[in-house]
Amino acid sequence: SQTIHQWPATLVQPVGSPLSLECTVEGTSNPNLYWYRQAAGRGLQLLFYSVGIGQISSEVPQNLSASRPQDRQFILSSKKLLLSDSGFYLCAWSWASGANVLTFGAGSRLTVL
Amino acid sequence: AQSVAQPEDQVNVAEGNPLTVKCTYSVSGNPYLFWYVQYPNRGLQFLLKYITGDNLVKGSYGFEAEFNKSQTSFHLKKPSALVSDSALYFCAVRDSGSGTYKYIFGTGTRLKVLA
Repeated sequence: SQTIHQWPATLVQPVGSPLSLECTVEGTSNPNLYWYRQAAGRGLQLLFYSVGIGQISSEVPQNLSASRPQDRQFILSSKKLLLSDSGFYLCAWSWASGANVLTFGAGSRLTVL
Repeated sequence: AQSVAQPEDQVNVAEGNPLTVKCTYSVSGNPYLFWYVQYPNRGLQFLLKYITGDNLVKGSYGFEAEFNKSQTSFHLKKPSALVSDSALYFCAVRDSGSGTYKYIFGTGTRLKVLA
């Protein structure tokens, strides 16, 4: 079976510091990978998605970037955090084709002070 | 462009009563539609999906949803609500066209089931 891991679970960072959130998927190959942000416990905003190693699509221009150095690894980064980067970040994966369900990780809560 | 609207921020219903959480969508091609539930400080859990075929889709925990193409809606329903159903519910859409991989979510509807 497939599992998705996300870490760290919580993070408190000062403004201007760097960020790295990591997500890995086990039990599958060539998944589509996604990063979403949820602000204030409400709607999900699609940030990035990837259909293969090194292939990143950015949905919202902002202070964040994503990378996919390995098939089942997806990293969300920032060089300098802003207060507005605070939120709940969710990684998800799906099979590459068809009407497949998105499966989410447990999430990473980021607080920027 | 794909979009999803969940017009109600919150739905209150008494335990044992039927519940409906509304969702409308916009997509250029044929839609794949999904419902998810989120409990506090947790990731999203899949409830059900519509791909094609029967307009009434049954899912987990007694939930079902009705696809209505003419109204571009996909409302979530349950015949008898439980207090434990209280959570945040999200509708999502993905365009079924080839080469499209984005899942777009609504803003969420908080369901509160009152004992």
